[in-house]
Amino acid sequence: AQSVSQHNHHVILSEAASLELGCNYSYGGTVNLFWYVQYPGQHLQLLLKYFSGDPLVKGIKGFEAEFIKSKFSFNLRKPSVQWSDTAEYFCAVNARSGYSTLTFGKGTMLLVSP
Amino acid sequence: DADVTQTPRNRITKTGKRIMLECSQTKGHDRMYWYRQDPGLGLRLIYYSFDVKDINKGEISDGYSVSRQAQAKFSLSLESAIPNQTALYFCATSDWTVTYGYTFGSGTRLTVV
Repeated sequence: AQSVSQHNHHVILSEAASLELGCNYSYGGTVNLFWYVQYPGQHLQLLLKYFSGDPLVKGIKGFEAEFIKSKFSFNLRKPSVQWSDTAEYFCAVNARSGYSTLTFGKGTMLLVSP
Repeated sequence: DADVTQTPRNRITKTGKRIMLECSQTKGHDRMYWYRQDPGLGLRLIYYSFDVKDINKGEISDGYSVSRQAQAKFSLSLESAIPNQTALYFCATSDWTVTYGYTFGSGTRLTVV
């Protein structure tokens, strides 16, 4: 079974600072990778995903993530955060078997101060 | 209308009571899932269904049961609610390719007192 580890539980940044949230997964086979965002009081929304091809994927709201297969990592980045990026971020993985389900990390709460 | 609708949005119930959370979707997806979210623990899978005749236990199924009444409907029941089932519950759907990830409902906040 797959597992996901997110490095930071809480991150506090000032507006315009750069963001990088770490995510590592554990699984021996081919995977699909996702980042979801949950704004306060809302449900999860898909930020970006990686299935194959270019390991640098771009998502909504200026976010991007890089898949490094050798490191089993899928870190989320944003060059300049805004106050509106305050939210909880979840990395998730599913094995590309057709019968797999999505396994989530424990989440990283990002607080951006104006 | 939302693609994935959960009812109720909020519920307070007493220990020992039976409660049902409902989920319906208009995505036309075959696969449906129930997750619970607890602070610091992320989302954990309770049950999932790959089609109407398929029901599978997830990571934390004890104390829960589900019913897939139709392709569009997937209900979660707590047979005898206990306080540590207080959590935020999410229903989600996907197609079999998961190409677009999962689509989540707005969640049900359940409090067991």
